[in-house]
Amino acid sequence: EAGVTQSPTHLIKTRGQQATLRCSPISGHTSVYWYQQALGLGLQFLLWYDEGEERNRGNFPPRFSGRQFPNYSSELNVNALELEDSALYLCASSPAGRRPYGELFFGEGSRLTVL
Amino acid sequence: DQQVKQNSPSLSVQEGRISILNCDYTNSMFDYFLWYKKYPAEGPTFLISISSIKDKNEDGRFTVFLNKSAKHLSLHIVPSQPGDSAVYFCAAPPSNTGKLIFGQGTTLQVKP
Repeated sequence: EAGVTQSPTHLIKTRGQQATLRCSPISGHTSVYWYQQALGLGLQFLLWYDEGEERNRGNFPPRFSGRQFPNYSSELNVNALELEDSALYLCASSPAGRRPYGELFFGEGSRLTVL
Repeated sequence: DQQVKQNSPSLSVQEGRISILNCDYTNSMFDYFLWYKKYPAEGPTFLISISSIKDKNEDGRFTVFLNKSAKHLSLHIVPSQPGDSAVYFCAAPPSNTGKLIFGQGTTLQVKP
């Protein structure tokens, strides 16, 4: 069974540009989560999508947005890139209604570098 | 506000010995805790969890202990193996938020 897949693996952008990261969850999983791991820091919660709806977002500016498609894949958009957006962006998925929340299945991440 | 803290950035142990990784939390409403392991260039993988109704959960070489009064949990790895060398994160899910709050991680190095 394929795991969570993310693309691109690496992405280099300049300040002010936009970045789009993509994620395909494990088959049968309807919830998708996005996390940011900046250098030297832990994983910071960004967004949670379930059944196509945004269910929760972390303490990030509106420049960070995303969506979930009918096939449950998701994309994360970061507008007006800033240097501090350079980080590893991790996508995770989980089955619908799984409680308690927490046992997430992560992809390998997309490394975003902002120059 | 760092609700989940791992105060030791790194730990080095000899193969065959015990590894103890610690984690503290501040929110007494947390009722479930998880440990994840992360190798370089890979996403975190779930390792073991514990509910707040328990004080211990064991899975093979891995045991997690929870001390609710001290708001402290620890992960014991016995015996440690070189393949255990990775970054270990503890995490807690605030109820109905869909998110995990992660600690900063502890890098474990197991020397042969």
